[in-house]
Amino acid sequence: EVQLVESGGGLVQPGGSLRLSCAASGFTFRSYWMHWVRQAPGEGLVWVSRINSGGSDTDYADSVRGRFTISRDNARNTLFLQMSSLRAEDTAFYFCVRDPGPGWFDPWGQGILVTVSS
Amino acid sequence: DIQMTQSPSSVSASVGDRVSITCRASQGISTWLAWYQQKPGEAPKLLIYAASSLQSGFPSRFSGSGSGTDFTLTISSLQPEDFATYYCQQANSSPLTFGGGTKVEIK
Repeated sequence: EVQLVESGGGLVQPGGSLRLSCAASGFTFRSYWMHWVRQAPGEGLVWVSRINSGGSDTDYADSVRGRFTISRDNARNTLFLQMSSLRAEDTAFYFCVRDPGPGWFDPWGQGILVTVSS
Repeated sequence: DIQMTQSPSSVSASVGDRVSITCRASQGISTWLAWYQQKPGEAPKLLIYAASSLQSGFPSRFSGSGSGTDFTLTISSLQPEDFATYYCQQANSSPLTFGGGTKVEIK
């Protein structure tokens, strides 16, 4: 069974940092592009970032470019999102998603809540 | 950026009704469009991809159509388990963008 399990969320103060992880299982992780998508509570879906299968190419939404860094460890089947200079508007559930190609999202992790507040 | 506009934002319908949701892209995206279903407290699930291909696990009462800028998701006979929020998403170009969502509620 394909599974994506996020971890590392929580409460952080404005300006702080947090690192999300996503453990992948049930598929050949190194063969797939991966993304992060977020959803503020009660709001819609927003794409955040993506990384290619080898980890050499990344892309970001303008709202997080320069503050967030996506990376992956194919030996450990794990996706990461390093978030810094966090703002209140970054408060959201963050979903790890696999890209079966070319730009669809399937499946989704269960999501992890990041709350930025003082 | 490509803007995705869904309508309506919510629809109230009864079991057995036919429901259609539209999604309009601000520029042509061929058939690079997906639909997702999200139930409260759950992660979204891929429902339709490439505008009209049904993802495995979903019943045939769901269908997608359209190309270019105008797309439609149709539920031919609404069932109790279909009450959810539906999102469209374009995969034509970065940044990947979603519509604002359509909540299908019980009448």
